[in-house]
Amino acid sequence: DAGVIQSPRHEVTEMGQEVTLRCKPISGHNSLFWYRQTMMRGLELLIYFNNNVPIDDSGMPEDRFSAKMPNASFSTLKIQPSEPRDSAVYFCASSLLVGGTGGNQPQHFGDGTRLSIL
Amino acid sequence: ELKVEQNPLFLSMQEGKNYTIYCNYSTTSDRLYWYRQDPGKSLESLFVLLSNGAVKQEGRLMASLDTKARLSTLHITAAVHDLSATYFCAVVPNTGTASKLTFGTGTRLQVTL
Repeated sequence: DAGVIQSPRHEVTEMGQEVTLRCKPISGHNSLFWYRQTMMRGLELLIYFNNNVPIDDSGMPEDRFSAKMPNASFSTLKIQPSEPRDSAVYFCASSLLVGGTGGNQPQHFGDGTRLSIL
Repeated sequence: ELKVEQNPLFLSMQEGKNYTIYCNYSTTSDRLYWYRQDPGKSLESLFVLLSNGAVKQEGRLMASLDTKARLSTLHITAAVHDLSATYFCAVVPNTGTASKLTFGTGTRLQVTL
């Protein structure tokens, strides 16, 4: 079975440019998560969708970051304008949330996008 | 704010030895997850612990959860080189947003010959 698919795997761009990261969750999963991983701050949850609806975006660092999930099989994370401090590995994860209490299923992670802003 | 702390942060151990990684968290939770990450790779789910006293084992790894002490352990038995990786615990608090994981700092394990 295909896992979580992210693209691109690597992105190098100049400060001020718009960056769009893409994610295809595992088919049948109804929850999708965007994380950022850096040496200094570790793994941070940026935003979390359930049934395509954003539930918690308290981790989005600032207005330059936005995320969408137009359908159950696709999500984007956009940074505009990008800054050098946005350089990190961005992971997308998905899981099956059953019931209203959060469910017990682990989150399945994609391979990540390694983003470098020069 | 939920805090999840792991220790040690770095562990170098010889093949064949046993050791334990600790994960402490600061709020009430009945759900704790362990993940493994190889350098430059994704995170792989290892264990899901859902109740006080839960114990799961897979090969040389065994994880346990004590919700009263807010502590989980990952025990490594007779380590082998293939276990070298970074191990993360992650917690979902009983209150707040369902499924919102907070990750620990990670423990980088290096198994030497």
